[in-house]
Amino acid sequence: KAGVTQTPRYLIKTRGQQVTLSCSPISGHRSVSWYQQTPGQGLQFLFEYFSETQRNKGNFPGRFSGRQFSNSRSEMNVSTLELGDSALYLCASSLISGTGSSGANVLTFGAGSRLTVL
Amino acid sequence: GENVEQHPSTLSVQEGDSAVIKCTYSDSASNYFPWYKQELGKRPQLIIDIRSNVGEKKDQRIAVTLNKTAKHFSLHITETQPEDSAVYFCAATGGFKTIFGAGTRLFVKA
Repeated sequence: KAGVTQTPRYLIKTRGQQVTLSCSPISGHRSVSWYQQTPGQGLQFLFEYFSETQRNKGNFPGRFSGRQFSNSRSEMNVSTLELGDSALYLCASSLISGTGSSGANVLTFGAGSRLTVL
Repeated sequence: GENVEQHPSTLSVQEGDSAVIKCTYSDSASNYFPWYKQELGKRPQLIIDIRSNVGEKKDQRIAVTLNKTAKHFSLHITETQPEDSAVYFCAATGGFKTIFGAGTRLFVKA
């Protein structure tokens, strides 16, 4: 089956602009998580969506937002871009079994969207 | 907030030697601990995982151990090969989120 698809793969923006990134999860996966990856900082958790609901959010400013659609596809938006927002944004989908925190959460990552802010 | 600390940040070993990467987590609600390998220019991929009710798990040359009391878990790679060279991330999952460590860059010298 098809993997996690992220678009666009590369983009260049200038400070103050906004950007929208898209993620299509593996068919049947209902959970989508977003991460920011920068050199030396590893993978920083942005947010997680399940059935169109944001269930958890990382420590990022309100300029970072997201949503999930009924077909599980997800988008994230960054407004008023800053130089420090330059990063690889990774989306990961998972098939959550059970409810609450007791289920395993095997993440399958997309190839990422590399954002450069000038 | 929740945090996962990972050490060392860089590890260089000779081919055939063992490599050990250690992580500590802070969130007591974490109950699932995956390890991901990210090769240069590629996406992270799961290599092994362990659940909170298990102390040790092995898959060929890699093994993970978990000490839930101390909130420590480790990755062990034996008989390292040049293709093991990559960045390895530990992670802790709980409460609908997976928090990653900062990563360990492993170099295996032939």
